[in-house]
Amino acid sequence: GEDVEQSLFLSVREGDSSVINCTYTDSSSTYLYWYKQEPGAGLQLLTYIFSNMDMKQDQRLTVLLNKKDKHLSLRIADTQTGDSAIYFCAESRDDKIIFGKGTRLHILP
Amino acid sequence: DAGVIQSPRHEVTEMGQEVTLRCKPISGHNSLFWYRQTMMRGLELLIYFNNNVPIDDSGMPEDRFSAKMPNASFSTLKIQPSEPRDSAVYFCASSLASGGNNEQFFGPGTRLTVL
Repeated sequence: GEDVEQSLFLSVREGDSSVINCTYTDSSSTYLYWYKQEPGAGLQLLTYIFSNMDMKQDQRLTVLLNKKDKHLSLRIADTQTGDSAIYFCAESRDDKIIFGKGTRLHILP
Repeated sequence: DAGVIQSPRHEVTEMGQEVTLRCKPISGHNSLFWYRQTMMRGLELLIYFNNNVPIDDSGMPEDRFSAKMPNASFSTLKIQPSEPRDSAVYFCASSLASGGNNEQFFGPGTRLTVL
């Protein structure tokens, strides 16, 4: 299909790791992204990975890219209540960015 | 920098009325995008502009929707006539240029409710 696919919901206990998974469609995508949307706000770029990389780490965030399977994941270590948001996976395609529907991350106390 | 500015933040209107949404991109950004977000369909790209010129409007749902960018600091998205199924959050985003290596900066959105 043509869609970027990701699960709609994820619940995680505070302090645990969150892993959000995504599959994309265009093997020629140069950039893969994770955007974060907090309640009542627009999307903000969280991190991105260039397609010739298979991992990128930035503090509590780890992005893994499996180009063969067109699979992207975002791991948030030591999940905090402030991480509660919708996380969008996205791929670059021509001049555009194609977004998934977003995964709503819910933090349990 | 104030970021991308959208107005109004909320709009409630009746079916059949004209709705105009406004966007001011970040100064110096040459690309502007209009998106619509709903629970059912997620985030959809409606149209985008490079240097004030519409490049791809294939996401515009139908002729009731139109968008303009008369200058580098202002864009409008108009719905005429509006229908209840147009209810959604409409986002404007801008970037230095189009292309995947350019981060898009989103405005806070306009929540539109058509009764």
